[in-house]
Amino acid sequence: LAKTTQPISMDSYEGQEVNITCSHNNIATNDYITWYQQFPSQGPRFIIQGYKTKVTNEVASLFIPADRKSSTLSLPRVSLSDTAVYYCLGNNNAGNMLTFGGGTRLMVKP
Amino acid sequence: DSGVTQTPKHLITATGQRVTLRCSPRSGDLSVYWYQQSLDQGLQFLIQYYNGEERAKGNILERFSAQQFPDLHSELNLSSLELGDSALYFCASSVSGVGDYEQYFGPGTRLTVT
Repeated sequence: LAKTTQPISMDSYEGQEVNITCSHNNIATNDYITWYQQFPSQGPRFIIQGYKTKVTNEVASLFIPADRKSSTLSLPRVSLSDTAVYYCLGNNNAGNMLTFGGGTRLMVKP
Repeated sequence: DSGVTQTPKHLITATGQRVTLRCSPRSGDLSVYWYQQSLDQGLQFLIQYYNGEERAKGNILERFSAQQFPDLHSELNLSSLELGDSALYFCASSVSGVGDYEQYFGPGTRLTVT
């Protein structure tokens, strides 16, 4: 059974770097791996997307190993406003079904 | 503001009833996705349309159906509603339909079934 799994929660302090890893045990060959941020009662917001190796934008970096069975979202120097739930998204290779991970609840403390 | 609009914002209805949720994608986006998010739960993919055609299907119940119209807006129809259908329903849109999932989400419709 294809699954996308990530840690349920993480705690961090302001100014630290946070790394959240997601495993995609059956990611579709041609699909990108995508990460989203969600605040309470709001729709998820696109953060970053990649296919292989490393991608960086103004808010985050994404590391994807060669086998693409996992991905790591890296948030540099987090602030209190980064407290949110972070989701990874992969496409199930066995059924063309978009599968979000269960979400990682990040709590940033002062 | 993501550019994706959803109506209504809130909906309260009784068990057994039928409701329709509406979504307008961002200008230029051809794909529309529907998701269900129950209280404190993750996002469950329901269905995807691309340029009017069904592209992918998730764990969508037979009581639920959707369509995408020629103007690219989409509707999600929920019938024979049960208490367990109470949830936030999100619509998202993207330019592409396969492989690239940079999606933009609407604000959601909160459905309460009593």
